[in-house]
Amino acid sequence: KAGVTQTPRYLIKTRGQQVTLSCSPISGHRSVSWYQQTPGQGLQFLFEYFSETQRNKGNFPGRFSGRQFSNSRSEMNVSTLELGDSALYLCASTVNRESYTFGSGTRLTVV
Amino acid sequence: SQKIEQNSEALNIQEGKTATLTCNYTNYSPAYLQWYRQDPGRGPVFLLLIRENEKEKRKERLKVTFDTTLKQSLFHITASQPADSATYLCALGLNSGYSTLTFGKGTMLLVSP
Repeated sequence: KAGVTQTPRYLIKTRGQQVTLSCSPISGHRSVSWYQQTPGQGLQFLFEYFSETQRNKGNFPGRFSGRQFSNSRSEMNVSTLELGDSALYLCASTVNRESYTFGSGTRLTVV
Repeated sequence: SQKIEQNSEALNIQEGKTATLTCNYTNYSPAYLQWYRQDPGRGPVFLLLIRENEKEKRKERLKVTFDTTLKQSLFHITASQPADSATYLCALGLNSGYSTLTFGKGTMLLVSP
């Protein structure tokens, strides 16, 4: 079966711009989580969606937001980009929390 | 404060040896612990899950132990191969219904031929 698909794979944006990243989970997986990964901080939890509802939120500013559609696809948005937002953004889906399947991520570079 | 600690220094071993990676945690009461493998530029890949009431879990050349008294998990790769070279992440899951995974920063394993 198809894995978790994240688009785009790479993105370069300028400070102050906004960006939208997309994630298509494995078919049948209704839970989608987003993580930010940087060399210094490792994987940090952003938010989790289940059946179009945000179920959990990490400790990130309000510039980071997300949503989930009825087909379980999810998007995350970062507004007013800062240099420190440069990171690998990972999406993961799960059916039972006993294992998570991650996408390959979107590498965001803010210049 | 809550902490998950994995060796930040890379572990270098020779092919054929057993690699042992450590995950220590403080101020957590995890219901389960998961181990993931991550290759450069890719997302983590799930390897094993071990629950709080399990002492040991095995899968092919992999073995995980979980000591809730020591607050530690050990991850072993026996008969290691150069293809095992990657970063290995541990992640804790709590027992609350809506809990999410919290990850350690990972340990890089380098297996030389």
